[in-house]
Amino acid sequence: DAKTTQPNSMESNEEEPVHLPCNHSTISGTDYIHWYRQLPSQGPEYVIHGLTSNVNNRMASLAIAEDRKSSTLILHRATLRDAAVYYCILFRDYKLSFGAGTTVTVRA
Amino acid sequence: DAEITQSPRHKITETGRQVTLACHQTWNHNNMFWYRQDLGHGLRLIHYSYGVQDTNKGEVSDGYSVSRSNTEDLPLTLESAASSQTSVYFCASSDNRITDTQYFGPGTRLTVL
Repeated sequence: DAKTTQPNSMESNEEEPVHLPCNHSTISGTDYIHWYRQLPSQGPEYVIHGLTSNVNNRMASLAIAEDRKSSTLILHRATLRDAAVYYCILFRDYKLSFGAGTTVTVRA
Repeated sequence: DAEITQSPRHKITETGRQVTLACHQTWNHNNMFWYRQDLGHGLRLIHYSYGVQDTNKGEVSDGYSVSRSNTEDLPLTLESAASSQTSVYFCASSDNRITDTQYFGPGTRLTVL
């Protein structure tokens, strides 16, 4: 399985940006980088994905390093509803492989 | 609105019984997936399907089976439930295989006593 490394947990204050790092040194040229999040007692929810270029959508931004060995998910203004486990995943062989993710806590 | 549903949401069964968990999606997606999630861990892939009559094993398929007779449904069967299969089960579907944005159901919490 394609392996990613994320910090176990991160804390943020409400209304402040959150930068979630992810290392994926074994990434291959065709692997897409996906981010999902899982709110308490819910199924995972798609956040964003990219291949080489930085990506933006209404939920977040994804910054991908030039060598693609790392990426950063950016939540521009954290809200209490953003408290969740965030998973960085390399999409390989048409499958998602979930790791343990980063638990994000947002302080009011 | 299109959606993906799972039933039952909660199930308690006994060791050795056969159990079937239902997954139904109304997006007309070709791809469907079953995962299990154990306390404090990420999701692990059990089985997946890329279309009607297609099924494939994931990383933790032992003791589970699926069948795909139509586009909308992918039921997951535990042939003989074991306590080790106590878990939360999530179903997902996707349309585009290359980028594979998956949409997840609400989950089924299964307890095997």
